[in-house]
Amino acid sequence: DAGITQSPRHKVTETGTPVTLRCHQTENHRYMYWYRQDPGHGLRLIHYSYGVKDTDKGEVSDGYSVSRSKTEDFLLTLESATSSQTSVYFCAIRPGLAEETQYFGPGTRLLVL
Amino acid sequence: EDKVVQSPLSLVVHEGDTVTLNCSYEVTNFRSLLWYKQEKKAPTFLFMLTSSGIEKKSGRLSSILDKKELSSILNITATQTGDSAIYLCAVGSYGGSQGNLIFGKGTKLSVKP
Repeated sequence: DAGITQSPRHKVTETGTPVTLRCHQTENHRYMYWYRQDPGHGLRLIHYSYGVKDTDKGEVSDGYSVSRSKTEDFLLTLESATSSQTSVYFCAIRPGLAEETQYFGPGTRLLVL
Repeated sequence: EDKVVQSPLSLVVHEGDTVTLNCSYEVTNFRSLLWYKQEKKAPTFLFMLTSSGIEKKSGRLSSILDKKELSSILNITATQTGDSAIYLCAVGSYGGSQGNLIFGKGTKLSVKP
């Protein structure tokens, strides 16, 4: 157990509304990641963070923003949700630069109507 | 562009069969290859293979890295229904992007009683 929680675990929202997903870790790991998982696409990186206030874009960052004001929390925001953002979102942590392995949170299932 | 390709995309076997899952990659400055198992929840880490550790085994699962062929296989012997899952392959590289992983689309394994 890597001490990662995600909230909410499930959410239904309407097109055009803002949505924020939270990832919380208890181990003070420096590196945190947001992925989305869709059938036929596997896991795709949205954004990642390498420290407080240090974030960068991943492969599929359009329509998403992130913030990391504390080591333990990494927030993913959909400014104006669209149906194409219906997906399962996973947060992951990486214990350190010398440690390649990433460990995943339980996921958030988001449905945009 | 870096990429990871898994095959087959899906596979149905019967309990007791032996299966081999494949992962090939094209990555600049290869560092490591990781295997994950995903049931109806978050991916869980299985193995990491590197140039200094090209073979790993845990119970009925084993994996080998072939750096010459830029590929890896995951073997599962005497399969059980509990092995039913999506198996994900991911590759890490040295250099930029803070050590991000590139994931394949996964192989969905179904083990029938």
